[in-house]
Amino acid sequence: KAGVTQTPRYLIKTRGQQVTLSCSPISGHRSVSWYQQTPGQGLQFLFEYFSETQRNKGNFPGRFSGRQFSNSRSEMNVSTLELGDSALYLCASSLVGSNYGYTFGSGTRLTVV
Amino acid sequence: QQQVKQSPQSLIVQKGGIPIINCAYENTAFDYFPWYQQFPGKGPALLIAIRPDVSEKKEGRFTISFNKSAKQFSLHIMDSQPGDSATYFCAASTDSNYQLIWGAGTKLIIKP
Repeated sequence: KAGVTQTPRYLIKTRGQQVTLSCSPISGHRSVSWYQQTPGQGLQFLFEYFSETQRNKGNFPGRFSGRQFSNSRSEMNVSTLELGDSALYLCASSLVGSNYGYTFGSGTRLTVV
Repeated sequence: QQQVKQSPQSLIVQKGGIPIINCAYENTAFDYFPWYQQFPGKGPALLIAIRPDVSEKKEGRFTISFNKSAKQFSLHIMDSQPGDSATYFCAASTDSNYQLIWGAGTKLIIKP
């Protein structure tokens, strides 16, 4: 079966712009989580959606937002980009939540210049 | 109390050796402890997971040892191979929270 698909794979944006990243979970998975990964900070949790509702949220500023659609596909948006937002953004899906194993996508590499 | 402390930060082992990565936690409500393996350019992949009702779990060459009283768990890789070179993350969560708390990661290099 198809894995978790993240698009685009690579993205270069300018400071101040906004960006939208997309994640298609494994068919049947209802939980989608987003992570930011940087070399110095490891995996930082952004938020988790379950059945179109945000169930958990990490400690990121309001510039980071997300949503989940009725087909479980999810998007995350970052507004007013800063240089420090350069990172690998990972999406992970699960049947119902983290206790049942996540499947990660390969991520979107965002570079802010 | 929500932290998971992982050590070492990096590890170099000769092929055939047994690398051991350790994690410690404080929250006794954690009831699910997975390990993820990440290769460069890829997302982490679930390797093996354990729940606190068992002290050890093996899957192939990978073993989790769990010490509930010490609030520690560790990953052992038997007969390590260069292809095992990757970054390994431990994590923990509770059934009520659905949010994984991650260790900082261990970069493992297996020398041929």
